Amino acid sequence: GQSLEQPSEVTAVEGAIVQINCTYQTSGFYGLSWYQQHDGGAPTFLSYNALDGLEETGRFSSFLSRSDSYGYLLLQELQMKDSASYFCAGGTNAGKSTFGDGTTLTVKP
Amino acid sequence: EAQVTQNPRYLITVTGKKLTVTCSQNMNHEYMSWYRQDPGLGLRQIYYSMNVEVTDKGDVPEGYKVSRKEKRNFPLILESPSPNQTSLYFCASSFGTGEVEQYFGPGTRLTVT
Repeated sequence: GQSLEQPSEVTAVEGAIVQINCTYQTSGFYGLSWYQQHDGGAPTFLSYNALDGLEETGRFSSFLSRSDSYGYLLLQELQMKDSASYFCAGGTNAGKSTFGDGTTLTVKP
Repeated sequence: EAQVTQNPRYLITVTGKKLTVTCSQNMNHEYMSWYRQDPGLGLRQIYYSMNVEVTDKGDVPEGYKVSRKEKRNFPLILESPSPNQTSLYFCASSFGTGEVEQYFGPGTRLTVT
């Protein structure tokens, strides 16, 4: 099976940088994804790491270390609209997909 | 517009009354999946489908059924709903085998009394 752990809450101020960590235990792990979800809304895809290293997409970057079973999402130049829940998700190439319980990010002015 | 649609968006029903939540995608994706989300928890996978006529259990399949007769549709069936199935349900689709970008529907909020 798979399990992913991430902090339940993170708070930061507008303009700052925040890192949300995700550690995983999984069999048949294929890659780590990150999703954003605003209250009551559908999750939206942010980033995916299949290989070790950093992937950058605008203000968002994601990192994966397979040897450490660890990844993180880095959000730069925080804006108020970034207040949301962030989920890491581990997938296998057999279709199984497991999500962490989510990190609630609160951005303060 | 590329999208995943779900119907109904909201449903209140009673214990034991069979219901179906429909899911449709217009992106020609092979992979489709159902999740439930409960307060404070992440999304838990109920069932997924790698292609037409191919379905498999996720982490919480008990009390649910699915079918994949057409590529675009993946309905979720609750044969005899119970109060512990009260939840927010999301359908998702993706190219490939689902490990990369999944597109989510708007969600169906189900209450079983």
